[in-house]
Amino acid sequence: ETGVTQTPRHLVMGMTNKKSLKCEQHLGHNAMYWYKQSAKKPLELMFVYSLEERVENNSVPSRFSPECPNSSHLFLHLHTLQPEDSALYLCASSQSRAPTNEQFFGPGTRLTVL
Amino acid sequence: QKEVEQDPGPLSVPEGAIVSLNCTYSNSAFQYFMWYRQYSRKGPELLMYTYSSGNKEDGRFTAQVDKSSKYISLFIRDSQPSDSATYLCAMSAQGGSEKLVFGKGTKLTVNP
Repeated sequence: ETGVTQTPRHLVMGMTNKKSLKCEQHLGHNAMYWYKQSAKKPLELMFVYSLEERVENNSVPSRFSPECPNSSHLFLHLHTLQPEDSALYLCASSQSRAPTNEQFFGPGTRLTVL
Repeated sequence: QKEVEQDPGPLSVPEGAIVSLNCTYSNSAFQYFMWYRQYSRKGPELLMYTYSSGNKEDGRFTAQVDKSSKYISLFIRDSQPSDSATYLCAMSAQGGSEKLVFGKGTKLTVNP
């Protein structure tokens, strides 16, 4: 595997379910990100980890819980989601948090909350 | 006023046309400007990066930044059906990459 991979690619869950999204980067990067992409809205940054420490949490509801066990893996734990949380969830990584560093994105997980 | 404004389109052009994609912004502190391309069912990938004002050319693609007007553009010459994608502008000021602000994206279709 190369680049940034995400599993699952598609997920349908009920509002009472608990599920997790997984991201893995094979680029040796030190920063990882979760973004939410909704139709007709800009990419929204949810969480940033740098060297496994959380840097930023953009006021994301607590029903989203990130976990970064090491610099190659990032998880997004989901529980009691709402239908408006249905979106494409993108993971990205970059060499560091410097603004000139390119962010490499995974293909995303298409989440549908019923 | 939103920090970054981008017309979502959709934009449909014939093959070979010159395409102009644009974003405006309100934060005068922005100095790093990027264009990402996102194919259907894929994540965004960096297409062009420009620091501060000026032009940058890469093959059929030209990125322009006009900081005085707070306006950036991406031009695609001799457009091809393979250019059909959503194009997102993104920009940031000094600070960490978490400060990157994206536009909504413009969906482009190039018809053969």
